[in-house]
Amino acid sequence: NAGVMQNPRHLVRRRGQEARLRCSPMKGHSHVYWYRQLPEEGLKFMVYLQKENIIDESGMPKERFSAEFPKEGPSILRIQQVVRGDSAAYFCASSIQGYHGYTFGSGTRLTVV
Amino acid sequence: GIQVEQSPPDLILQEGANSTLRCNFSDSVNNLQWFHQNPWGQLINLFYIPSGTKQNGRLSATTVATERYSLLYISSSQTTDSGVYFCAVGQGAQKLVFGQGTRLTINP
Repeated sequence: NAGVMQNPRHLVRRRGQEARLRCSPMKGHSHVYWYRQLPEEGLKFMVYLQKENIIDESGMPKERFSAEFPKEGPSILRIQQVVRGDSAAYFCASSIQGYHGYTFGSGTRLTVV
Repeated sequence: GIQVEQSPPDLILQEGANSTLRCNFSDSVNNLQWFHQNPWGQLINLFYIPSGTKQNGRLSATTVATERYSLLYISSSQTTDSGVYFCAVGQGAQKLVFGQGTRLTINP
């Protein structure tokens, strides 16, 4: 079991470009969560998804950010028209139905230049 | 929303020392987890402990839900224990609110 896989590990984008972050949950995990960590800060919840459904997106910025978890394939966090303030580490976590313990991926470090 | 406070913010110890990290939260929760973020940025789940006491090797944790706090104990610290320790809590739907963390430095 490879754990939660995130890619890329590092991503550099120029202002105005799009960033796509991928997350493959652990085998058998049907719940996916995205968190953002700004430098020297704790993690902030962004969105909680199950297959083909967004359950809670209360932490997502209203514009430019979107997330999906399709029936097949990884979960995608998409940031359109990136700005310098989007520079952060983005972590994905997964869990199984009915158990609330998370397993985190290694994160994607996004740098906007 | 729920508030999570961790103390102390920073802790510097010599190898072999014991430490206690505290997490206070402002409302009742049904989900509490402790995580270790190592110097390379990886987040490791240490405990899922909404109540009671658990032990895993040199680490143990206790959550007193009625008094809204949790403690993480690290005994016989090693340099590999260095990093930031986060407490995270949740209510109902599985969103977690993280504290600001305790930065632990273990010197050889």
